[in-house]
Amino acid sequence: NAGVTQTPKFQVLKTGQSMTLQCAQDMNHEYMSWYRQDPGMGLRLIHYSVGAGITDQGEVPNGYNVSRSTTEDFPLRLLSAAPSQTSVYFCASSYGQGDGVNYGYTFGSGTRLTVV
Amino acid sequence: AQSVTQLGSHVSVSEGALVLLRCNYSSSVPPYLFWYVQYPNQGLQLLLKYTSAATLVKGINGFEAEFKKSETSFHLTKPSAHMSDAAEYFCAVRGIMEYGNKLVFGAGTILRVKS
Repeated sequence: NAGVTQTPKFQVLKTGQSMTLQCAQDMNHEYMSWYRQDPGMGLRLIHYSVGAGITDQGEVPNGYNVSRSTTEDFPLRLLSAAPSQTSVYFCASSYGQGDGVNYGYTFGSGTRLTVV
Repeated sequence: AQSVTQLGSHVSVSEGALVLLRCNYSSSVPPYLFWYVQYPNQGLQLLLKYTSAATLVKGINGFEAEFKKSETSFHLTKPSAHMSDAAEYFCAVRGIMEYGNKLVFGAGTILRVKS
């Protein structure tokens, strides 16, 4: 089925380790975003991209890097994992122009990350 | 700062009772508004959306929401709660002018349905 695919679904890291969360979409969406979800705080935007080669910071970007070399892929890199980065991470994509903005975002199924 | 406020982090209703989940947004220009639902250990599913075509919006599973510009509100309702409605609900806004076309979420409301 078409949609947003996130890997891995679960991950345990040790403090200081680095890793990349993968996100891919096959809907030709211009917009892609990474959110983290923590209890009582809703979903907070980490980084987003409005198209290939263009990325920008969201609300909570510290400790994370992103790149967008293709329309389909938007990986999120944790540079040096910290316990405060224990969270559920969601990737989402959307059309960015015209009526496509009405459609909202399509979300992946999430990655549950634990940093010990 | 632009924001989305969901009143009540937890709401508890009896099965068959009215469900009312509140959402207020801050914006001088009516944005696009969405409600998402998240069942335990799952991702987010779009419940309904307001895109200026009609102020009363009907979504899936019997939910609906009414956009009220004068109150900057977009409350979610369902006439009769079912046990399967137990989930977390998120209000979100998206607007080109003041949200930079990003999707901004409220903190969420956990709905509990009692038998």
